[in-house]
Amino acid sequence: DAGVIQSPRHEVTEMGQEVTLRCKPISGHNSLFWYRQTMMRGLELLIYFNNNVPIDDSGMPEDRFSAKMPNASFSTLKIQPSEPRDSAVYFCASSSVASGRYEQYFGPGTRLTVT
Amino acid sequence: AQSVTQLDSQVPVFEEAPVELRCNYSSSVSVYLFWYVQYPNQGLQLLLKYLSGSTLVKGINGFEAEFNKSQTSFHLRKPSVHISDTAEYFCAVSVNRDDKIIFGKGTRLHILP
Repeated sequence: DAGVIQSPRHEVTEMGQEVTLRCKPISGHNSLFWYRQTMMRGLELLIYFNNNVPIDDSGMPEDRFSAKMPNASFSTLKIQPSEPRDSAVYFCASSSVASGRYEQYFGPGTRLTVT
Repeated sequence: AQSVTQLDSQVPVFEEAPVELRCNYSSSVSVYLFWYVQYPNQGLQLLLKYLSGSTLVKGINGFEAEFNKSQTSFHLRKPSVHISDTAEYFCAVSVNRDDKIIFGKGTRLHILP
């Protein structure tokens, strides 16, 4: 298995621009998570989906952030408009609780820099 | 609310010496416990997990952890560390078989030559 795939790996953009991060979970996994990691705040859960349905989006910072999961093999996290304080590493993770495997598998992350 | 506490933000240890990274959680119900490792510029990787059964859990790279229900702890240990163990280590808990995992703030392990 290729693991969780994220793209792009690095993104540099100017303040005010729209940013879209992409994630392909491990095939067969039915839960998908988006995290943000910064030095100041550590690892934060932004939103998670179960069977493509958003279950908990309480970690989404504000309306500038939105996430979708149109099918079991693809999810996006969009920031519009982006701000310098959004600079962070964004991780996607997936798991398969239904199969009794509760651990999450993380992608390599997308390093976002907003100037 | 459930929480995970990693008391040490950084732990320096000499190469080939033993190490213990501490983790405590707060929950009165059944929990699943995890340790993850994050090497520089990489994602998090599962080291080991406790779901049930033996309270001593062995993981990859020679690490092990012990679940102690009475002390609500899940400390990570390794008898002899190597320079390649330099990384950040995260303790995490899943409560009541929930999809969501609560992560601690992480402990940076510095290996001294």
